[in-house]
Amino acid sequence: DTAVSQTPKYLVTQMGNDKSIKCEQNLGHDTMYWYKQDSKKFLKIMFSYNNKELIINETVPNRFSPKSPDKAHLNLHINSLELGDSAVYFCASSQDNREIYEQYFGPGTRLTVT
Amino acid sequence: KNQVEQSPQSLIILEGKNCTLQCNYTVSPFSNLRWYKQDTGRGPVSLTIMTFSENTKSNGRYTATLDADTKQSSLHITASQLSDSASYICVVSADTNAGKSTFGDGTTLTVKP
Repeated sequence: DTAVSQTPKYLVTQMGNDKSIKCEQNLGHDTMYWYKQDSKKFLKIMFSYNNKELIINETVPNRFSPKSPDKAHLNLHINSLELGDSAVYFCASSQDNREIYEQYFGPGTRLTVT
Repeated sequence: KNQVEQSPQSLIILEGKNCTLQCNYTVSPFSNLRWYKQDTGRGPVSLTIMTFSENTKSNGRYTATLDADTKQSSLHITASQLSDSASYICVVSADTNAGKSTFGDGTTLTVKP
């Protein structure tokens, strides 16, 4: 059984398009995250939701809009895609938003903008 | 500014050998330090989590150490296997806003037969 799943695994699209990435966790966790990993393999947190409420919103263009319909799901919608958005996007979850808890990562979505 | 620096950037060893990866941080106030393993094309997987009061923690052939005074951590891999080839990421969390972790840029380990 997959703990944290993401769809799609690969996404190739053209500049200017709007796309969504979906994430689901079946661990019963309260907190979910979106991370961006660029070509240099550096992981950066983008957003964090705790019980469907936004608790972290790093300096991310407002073209990126997360949505959490329930605490098991956190989707990421990206408007007007740009070349620089090409990266691997990871979803993660943890028991709650206290740092002591381990984060479980999904398999990633490789986004390529052409 | 909170920073996490890892060394070396990359490392190649022969199967069966031991190796040690380093992590230096300036995150303050310190909450915990984690080591993750990330296989190519996969998400990171947690290896160890250490709080201020812990100075060593093991997970199979992986042993992490923490010196909170010098703000250094190491990850020691014993009797390396081909499957250890991966990126190893050090993450340090501050005892402030939840979720505000600082990630190192990783060490890429290649184990050759």
